[in-house]
Amino acid sequence: DAGVIQSPRHEVTEMGQEVTLRCKPISGHNSLFWYRQTMMRGLELLIYFNNNVPIDDSGMPEDRFSAKMPNASFSTLKIQPSEPRDSAVYFCASRPGTASSYNEQFFGPGTRLTVL
Amino acid sequence: QQQVKQSPQSLIVQKGGISIINCAYENTAFDYFPWYQQFPGKGPALLIAIRPDVSEKKEGRFTISFNKSAKQFSLHIMDSQPGDSATYFCAATGWTSGSRLTFGEGTQLTVNP
Repeated sequence: DAGVIQSPRHEVTEMGQEVTLRCKPISGHNSLFWYRQTMMRGLELLIYFNNNVPIDDSGMPEDRFSAKMPNASFSTLKIQPSEPRDSAVYFCASRPGTASSYNEQFFGPGTRLTVL
Repeated sequence: QQQVKQSPQSLIVQKGGISIINCAYENTAFDYFPWYQQFPGKGPALLIAIRPDVSEKKEGRFTISFNKSAKQFSLHIMDSQPGDSATYFCAATGWTSGSRLTFGEGTQLTVNP
């Protein structure tokens, strides 16, 4: 099992540029989560999907952020335009749908985003 | 009401000692309390979890103690090892919160050899 795969692992961009982060969840998992981690705010849930449908996007900071999950094996988080305050580590996590492990989330290695 | 408060922010323990990290929650609808361990450059990984129908859960050197009436739970690491040095996050969730995890602020644990 390859685990949750995220790309790129590191991204450095300039303010105003579009940034796209990618995630491949664990096969068979039916929920996917995007988190942002910063020193100031810790781990924040941005959005989560269940069976490819966005369920809760209340954590998305503003309209510059958007997320999609076109199929069960792929999701993107896009920031357009990016700002220096978006600099953070972005994690993707997936969760199986079985009742016995409903709450176990498996995190990817993260994408470290730096916006200059 | 969705907050989870974690303390201490950082902890230094000698090898072989006991590490204790505490968390408190407000939402009485929470029914699942996991602890995640995060090493530098890695994503958080589930370490151990407890449901409120038991007061303690032990897995190897790691124990969760749960006090439902006080709405508090804690992680105890017995015989702490340098390899345990990491950041630990408590979390809480429940069906009424859509099973979204609410994380504590994190505790950076350093175990000195």
